[in-house]
Amino acid sequence: EPEVTQTPSHQVTQMGQEVILRCVPISNHLYFYWYRQILGQKVEFLVSFYNNEISEKSEIFDDQFSVERPDGSNFTLKIRSTKLEDSAMYFCASPRRPSGPAGTGELFFGEGSRLTVL
Amino acid sequence: DQQVKQNSPSLSVQEGRISILNCDYTNSMFDYFLWYKKYPAEGPTFLISISSIKDKNEDGRFTVFLNKSAKHLSLHIVPSQPGDSAVYFCAARGDSGSARQLTFGSGTQLTVLP
Repeated sequence: EPEVTQTPSHQVTQMGQEVILRCVPISNHLYFYWYRQILGQKVEFLVSFYNNEISEKSEIFDDQFSVERPDGSNFTLKIRSTKLEDSAMYFCASPRRPSGPAGTGELFFGEGSRLTVL
Repeated sequence: DQQVKQNSPSLSVQEGRISILNCDYTNSMFDYFLWYKKYPAEGPTFLISISSIKDKNEDGRFTVFLNKSAKHLSLHIVPSQPGDSAVYFCAARGDSGSARQLTFGSGTQLTVLP
């Protein structure tokens, strides 16, 4: 099965600090997604990235968030000034097909990065 | 804005019996429905999906049923096994926008008792 890998697995930070979460999606896929799950709640869509640009974003993805592709293979999710409510598991995901979310809509998720904001 | 709802936060079933997990949705424009399984400290893992034009899809022990008129879908697992114990998320794929992101329900914790 295709692999999506994420680092770090767990990060603890102080409120107001910047955090960068990293993901290596399935190679050669044009679409890429970030989701998050606050403990005990549902998985929520944050942002989608298509061909090196943000495609869509949710209301959660405000000015404190940014997503980049610094070197053509890795993706990063940056939170500029973390808040307590940013504590969550952050998941990146790739669609099954390289060209995008056609077909069943199945996404492959990474194992997640747990962010704890103190 | 809860377009996908899972009203049962937990379900316990005896090993070998059938597990039925339910999901309701409000957006009639969803075109695919998916079930994901999630273990603690892991990402969601795809289980099975169904197109909005079908009413049933089966894959081994897992069957998903879709009732479009009721905007309801269910996942049947039979026979249930202890390894099936996990949180099950219902998800629906939007029909609009290029990214077609998934909208998830809040999950149901399934516990299969040996």
